[in-house]
Amino acid sequence: SAVISQKPSRDICQRGTSLTIQCQVDSQVTMMFWYRQQPGQSLTLIATANQGSEATYESGFVIDKFPISRPNLTFSTLTVSNMSPEDSSIYLCSVVTWRENTGELFFGEGSRLTVL
Amino acid sequence: GQNIDQPTEMTATEGAIVQINCTYQTSGFNGLFWYQQHAGEAPTFLSYNVLDGLEEKGRFSSFLSRSKGYSYLLLKELQMKDSASYLCAVMDSNYQLIWGAGTKLIIKP
Repeated sequence: SAVISQKPSRDICQRGTSLTIQCQVDSQVTMMFWYRQQPGQSLTLIATANQGSEATYESGFVIDKFPISRPNLTFSTLTVSNMSPEDSSIYLCSVVTWRENTGELFFGEGSRLTVL
Repeated sequence: GQNIDQPTEMTATEGAIVQINCTYQTSGFNGLFWYQQHAGEAPTFLSYNVLDGLEEKGRFSSFLSRSKGYSYLLLKELQMKDSASYLCAVMDSNYQLIWGAGTKLIIKP
């Protein structure tokens, strides 16, 4: 299993500012994912962050808006830049671990952002 | 395109059994996940199926038929705390997860 610590758990931000979300895993993992979940919606993948390479962004998400760092196998950050009210959402980091051909996706506790 | 379908909402009675279905069309298949998510919380892992058949874990069971692109999550002896959204997700050939919109399960006394 993997334990993921994510912070901040919640924040209220002003329009035009940027916020960095941190994700710390208690074990080394190759792939880390960043998701966004807007109220009443399912999960939307923002990007996949692999250690030592550039993050891979999904359609509709760009690096200038959501820069990601992945300095090592246990840590990643997602920055939400130049925020607008439309960025108000829960942001989740997650990792996949494999054990005996069984996969499991673990989530951090989530960061609930409200942009005024 | 890739697609995951599951019912939007279901209602069941405490103590009863409920089955939540999930059908999928993806480019490749590396397993299907079921997650439970209570409002305002992160999803928690319930099950992973990569082979056909039924996997049982206590009150929860998950079934997979790869030939039919179909899975279900079976919840027995329902409790009020089972009221939550249940998310179906398929990992495609690129190890990317495709998520369903989730099924909101309402348990009534």
